[in-house]
Amino acid sequence: NAGVTQTPKFRVLKTGQSMTLLCAQDMNHEYMYWYRQDPGMGLRLIHYSVGEGTTAKGEVPDGYNVSRLKKQNFLLGLESAAPSQTSVYFCASSLRRGARDTQYFGPGTRLTVL
Amino acid sequence: SQQGEEDPQALSIQEGENATMNCSYKTSINNLQWYRQNSGRGLVHLILIRSNEREKHSGRLRVTLDTSKKSSSLLITASRAADTASYFCATDANDYKLSFGAGTTVTVRA
Repeated sequence: NAGVTQTPKFRVLKTGQSMTLLCAQDMNHEYMYWYRQDPGMGLRLIHYSVGEGTTAKGEVPDGYNVSRLKKQNFLLGLESAAPSQTSVYFCASSLRRGARDTQYFGPGTRLTVL
Repeated sequence: SQQGEEDPQALSIQEGENATMNCSYKTSINNLQWYRQNSGRGLVHLILIRSNEREKHSGRLRVTLDTSKKSSSLLITASRAADTASYFCATDANDYKLSFGAGTTVTVRA
């Protein structure tokens, strides 16, 4: 099993550009999450999904959109990138409700917005 | 906002020594989790301890939970170079949301 994979690993964008981050998991997990990690801060939840076709806002959703068209994939989109979105983005999944279960994390995507 | 706060922010120890880090949180919880993050990698789950448990072990790891003090500790015994990493506690803000602290960075010197 590959676990949780993320594409791409690195990306540099100019302000105003758009991009999509792809997360894939092969563990048949219902729940998936997108976090961002900034220096000196813990991970902050951007959006999450409790199943195929469903998404919900997390702690810091502004400027991001998500889609979960297939159970195994969770996409994070930036429509108009801003320098404040420079961060490391992690995707995670869990079999049961995330706060009561182990979350499995991907390796991360390092995004720089110039 | 961060629910869990780790202390200390950084810790440097000699190989073979024990490392202890603490996590304090503000509101009541159902469970608390500890994760490890090696440099440039994703987080890896270490231990989940439920609110009705006081202590849990996994290999060289020992986690305690004191709900009356709203605090938890992670002890790594007989540390190794491979234990060099950042360690995060995470509490359940609700059914879906884990709230992570800023982490403790542990450096194990050879």
